[in-house]
Amino acid sequence: QVQLQESGPGLVKPSQTLSLTCTVSGGSISSGGYYWSWIRQHPGKGLEWIGYIYYSGSTYYNPSLKSRVTISVDTSKNQFSLKLSSVTAADTAVYYCARALRYYDSSGYVDYWGQGTLVTVSS
Amino acid sequence: QSVLTQPPSVSGAPGQRVTISCTGSSSNIGAGYDVHWYQQLPGTAPKLLIYGNSNRPSGVPDRFSGSKSGTSASLAITGLQAEDEADYYCQSYDSSLSDPWVFGGGTKLTVL
Repeated sequence: QVQLQESGPGLVKPSQTLSLTCTVSGGSISSGGYYWSWIRQHPGKGLEWIGYIYYSGSTYYNPSLKSRVTISVDTSKNQFSLKLSSVTAADTAVYYCARALRYYDSSGYVDYWGQGTLVTVSS
Repeated sequence: QSVLTQPPSVSGAPGQRVTISCTGSSSNIGAGYDVHWYQQLPGTAPKLLIYGNSNRPSGVPDRFSGSKSGTSASLAITGLQAEDEADYYCQSYDSSLSDPWVFGGGTKLTVL
């Protein structure tokens, strides 16, 4: 059973960088076929893809966030991370890390989710 | 505004059957990409409910079923139970978008 757990500060000041780490257990990040993903949910709203990283290191970022997002992986620790720079109150959301199973045509679905962590941007 | 359209809310009495629609277009559902469904209970993370249009992961009751036709998909819940009250999201892939992994806007299911 794969488990994902987010960790990081719950409060970030405006203009600073939001940093979260996802620790994966029960499965290896180095195995192919999965996108290691970050998804967020603004309070009372729907789900928004932030981006993902493939085991090869290739990344995808939501175009609306691309200039501020970096997703990286540390295979030795079986972790992947999110950095979102220059945050504003609009970045206040629950952030989920997730494993997305990738089809041959690059589509797919999320089969495992972390429990989510609320990050509030406020001074 | 998502390219996958879901009704904001649906409701039903215990024991009844409800359906939730997910309407797309020729560049996503109509292009043959699979539709997947997630259930988000209050205060919790989403959970995979249906994958590949109609497949249930282990542990998901057979009261939940999915189907797809043309540019739309549906989630059906039979024998409605109080614990089914949740938000439901469809998800697919849209080859016309620079942000191709897309979620529907979500549907709030209320059990009366």
